[in-house]
Amino acid sequence: KQEVTQIPAALSVPEGENLVLNCSFTDSAIYNLQWFRQDPGKGLTSLLLIQSSQREQTSGRLNASLDKSSGRSTLYIAASQPGDSATYLCAVRGGTYKYIFGTGTRLKVLA
Amino acid sequence: DAGVTQSPTHLIKTRGQQVTLRCSPKSGHDTVSWYQQALGQGPQFIFQYYEEEERQRGNFPDRFSGHQFPNYSSELNVNALLLGDSALYLCASSLGQGSLDEQYFGPGTRLTVT
Repeated sequence: KQEVTQIPAALSVPEGENLVLNCSFTDSAIYNLQWFRQDPGKGLTSLLLIQSSQREQTSGRLNASLDKSSGRSTLYIAASQPGDSATYLCAVRGGTYKYIFGTGTRLKVLA
Repeated sequence: DAGVTQSPTHLIKTRGQQVTLRCSPKSGHDTVSWYQQALGQGPQFIFQYYEEEERQRGNFPDRFSGHQFPNYSSELNVNALLLGDSALYLCASSLGQGSLDEQYFGPGTRLTVT
């Protein structure tokens, strides 16, 4: 049974810092992994999707890496801004059609 | 390009009642998935509809049922509501075949059961 864990659960950093969010999963047989952002009480916004054959994806200040063999993905945010404050969720799809989500990392970037 | 839309935005129901939530997928998408998100938790997969059939189901009781229409829009029905059904219900759309299966989410419906 696939389980997804995100560490840390919460993070508070000053503006301008580079930071890394972690996601680990127990079953390495994944189809893809997707990172999302969620603002309080809102839906999810897709940030990056990494296929199982890829090692990383980049979009602007965001870079996501994938290491299937160790069951890990990291989301790197460069030069953080107060507008980056949100909950970040990772989700893994295995051989079925459902995505399994972690519980998220709540990020607060202080001005 | 219209994104995923959901209605209603908020809903308050009483225990034992029934509720229907609606979702219209992103333009060009043919697959709809439903998720339940309790406060402080990640979304939990309820089921996925493709070609008007339930293709995959998560660990939810039969009180949760759904439907997909020929225009790919979808409904989630919950019968005999319990207090524990209070949550944010999220709809996600994607392309069903030959794609990366990237999920696009709607804004959600906040259901409160009293």
